[in-house]
Amino acid sequence: DVKVTQSSRYLVKRTGEKVFLECVQDMDHENMFWYRQDPGLGLRLIYFSYDVKMKEKGDIPEGYSVSREKKERFSLILESASTNQTSMYLCASFTLAGDTDTQYFGPGTRLTVL
Amino acid sequence: GQNIDQPTEMTATEGAIVQINCTYQTSGFNGLFWYQQHAGEAPTFLSYNVLDGLEEKGRFSSFLSRSKGYSYLPLKELQMKDSASYLCAVRSPNKLIFGTGTRLQVFP
Repeated sequence: DVKVTQSSRYLVKRTGEKVFLECVQDMDHENMFWYRQDPGLGLRLIYFSYDVKMKEKGDIPEGYSVSREKKERFSLILESASTNQTSMYLCASFTLAGDTDTQYFGPGTRLTVL
Repeated sequence: GQNIDQPTEMTATEGAIVQINCTYQTSGFNGLFWYQQHAGEAPTFLSYNVLDGLEEKGRFSSFLSRSKGYSYLPLKELQMKDSASYLCAVRSPNKLIFGTGTRLQVFP
C-alpha cells in the first residue's frame, strides 16, 4: 500500500556538495510538494509543482531547486549544501479531486550537512 | 499574511478527552486538514473540513467555523498511542500552509 516513496531515509553530506532528493508517487497525482520540518518551526513549503515541468516557489526556496520531468517523480536539489540545510525533508502529493482531497506524505529524508 | 496558530504542548491522562484548537488567518481558504505525526515519522492524515460543522470520522472528528477562522480536533478516550504531534493545515489555494503543531503527551 505504498503511495509516496523517498529515495533515502537518512543522508549525510558535506558542505558544498550537490544533493539530490527523489520522491515518487504512484497515485497519478498532479500536485507534488517538498517541505522541510525543523523543531519549533513546523512544516515549511520549499517548492511545489502542479504539473509536469511546472514548478512554483514556496515560502523558503532559497538554496533549492526542483525538477518534475515525469508526473510521478519530483526531485529536490540542493545546489551547494550548507549546514543550515540540515533538516527533515518531506515530500507530499495530492490531487484536486473534490471534497475528499487528501495529502499523502512520504516517509521523510533526514539530511545532515557536515 | 498567512498565520495558523495552535498551542505548542498539551498533556492529558489515559481515558480523558482533550480538544486541540487551531485558529487561522489566510488569504484564501479551500479546506482545513488535521494530521497526526509520531516522533521520527511522516504526518498521517486524520480529518478534513471544507464546510462548517463537525466532520465525524471514527475516532478523529474535527470541527470548523469558517466565519471565526477556527477549528478543533476532539480526542476522546485517549490512549497512550495518541501521544504525538497534531498538525493543523489550511489549503490556500492549492497548497497547504501548516501550523507549528501541538505536541500531546498522554500519561497513564
